[in-house]
Amino acid sequence: KAGVTQTPRYLIKTRGQQVTLSCSPISGHRSVSWYQQTPGQGLQFLFEYFSETQRNKGNFPGRFSGRQFSNSRSEMNVSTLELGDSALYLCASSFREGNEQFFGPGTRLTVL
Amino acid sequence: GEDVEQSLFLSVREGDSSVINCTYTDSSSTYLYWYKQEPGAGLQLLTYIFSNMDMKQDQRLTVLLNKKDKHLSLRIADTQTGDSAIYFCLTSGTYKYIFGTGTRLKVLA
Repeated sequence: KAGVTQTPRYLIKTRGQQVTLSCSPISGHRSVSWYQQTPGQGLQFLFEYFSETQRNKGNFPGRFSGRQFSNSRSEMNVSTLELGDSALYLCASSFREGNEQFFGPGTRLTVL
Repeated sequence: GEDVEQSLFLSVREGDSSVINCTYTDSSSTYLYWYKQEPGAGLQLLTYIFSNMDMKQDQRLTVLLNKKDKHLSLRIADTQTGDSAIYFCLTSGTYKYIFGTGTRLKVLA
């Protein structure tokens, strides 16, 4: 069974731009969560989607948004990028909410 | 807000046992997970425990949960150099996922 895939793997943007990251979960998994990893703040939960509905949300500003499609694939969007948004963005999928999460390799975003 | 704490570093000799500890505050945590992250790699799920259990063994890994004290530990038996990595605990509570700060395990040959 293929694992969680994330595209792109690396991204460089400038301040003020917006970015969209994509995540394809493991086949049969309906829950997708997003996390931000930085050296200073560690791993922080962004949001979780299940059956196309956002079920949980972490403490991030409204510039961070996401969605989930009927095939369980998910995208997250960050608008008006700031330097502090430079991070590794990790996506995880699980069969349903609260179950064990399997992580993708991440998208490394650099904001210049 | 809720918090999950771990020691930053642990150093052990190859062949010894390693014990990585985690304390959490979210009493609604139902599942508690351990993940391993190697340099430049994503997070690998090692094992997990449900909140109504107090121990789970999985080959070289033993997870102990003290729900009263909100304390979770991961014991790695016969630690190998390939176990050198950062280990994170993750609590899954009511609509919340909280990662620990991570423990960097260094295994000395």
